[in-house]
Amino acid sequence: DAGVIQSPRHEVTEMGQEVTLRCKPISGHNSLFWYRQTMMRGLELLIYFNNNVPIDDSGMPEDRFSAKMPNASFSTLKIQPSEPRDSAVYFCASSLTDDQPQHFGDGTRLSIL
Amino acid sequence: AQTVTQSQPEMSVQEAETVTLSCTYDTSESNYYLFWYKQPPSRQMILVIRQEAYKQQNATENRFSVNFQKAAKSFSLKISDSQLGDTAMYFCAFMRPRDDKIIFGKGTRLHILP
Repeated sequence: DAGVIQSPRHEVTEMGQEVTLRCKPISGHNSLFWYRQTMMRGLELLIYFNNNVPIDDSGMPEDRFSAKMPNASFSTLKIQPSEPRDSAVYFCASSLTDDQPQHFGDGTRLSIL
Repeated sequence: AQTVTQSQPEMSVQEAETVTLSCTYDTSESNYYLFWYKQPPSRQMILVIRQEAYKQQNATENRFSVNFQKAAKSFSLKISDSQLGDTAMYFCAFMRPRDDKIIFGKGTRLHILP
């Protein structure tokens, strides 16, 4: 079990740039979640997928954020254009179904200058 | 490396009962934070309670309290007078403040039965 793999681990970029975060869920898991963690707001669900289909994206803060899951083994979270207030740790998690225990990745620490 | 273990994947209790969710963690750090998050069916995460490792007093928030045993590296959540609205997935989390590294347990699904 390789666990949920996120890349990059750290990303530092200037505001206005496009940022793409990547996630590889555990093989066989049908649900995938994207979260954002900040000290001010804690852990927020951004979006989650079941069988590659977005189920609830109401947590996506604004149109600058988009997420895709083109296949069962890969998902991306894109921010375009990025802003300093997007700086946070972004977590991906996967589970067998959306009400089963979730396996979290190590997170991507994003800093927008 | 830090790890967080929630040994109970799923639990069910009757309404009004008290339930305890277990969480253990492994770290060599002396300063850290511990959290319990609740994820109801809406999937949004709600911070239930937070504990600073340097504080010996157990954190309490209304019906929610923790039993923090630093030496044993245990951080259990007690829910008193459980209510139907407490039905959710509960996540235990560890945070290392020197670099904000956060590690989550896999969660415990709690069912409150009427």
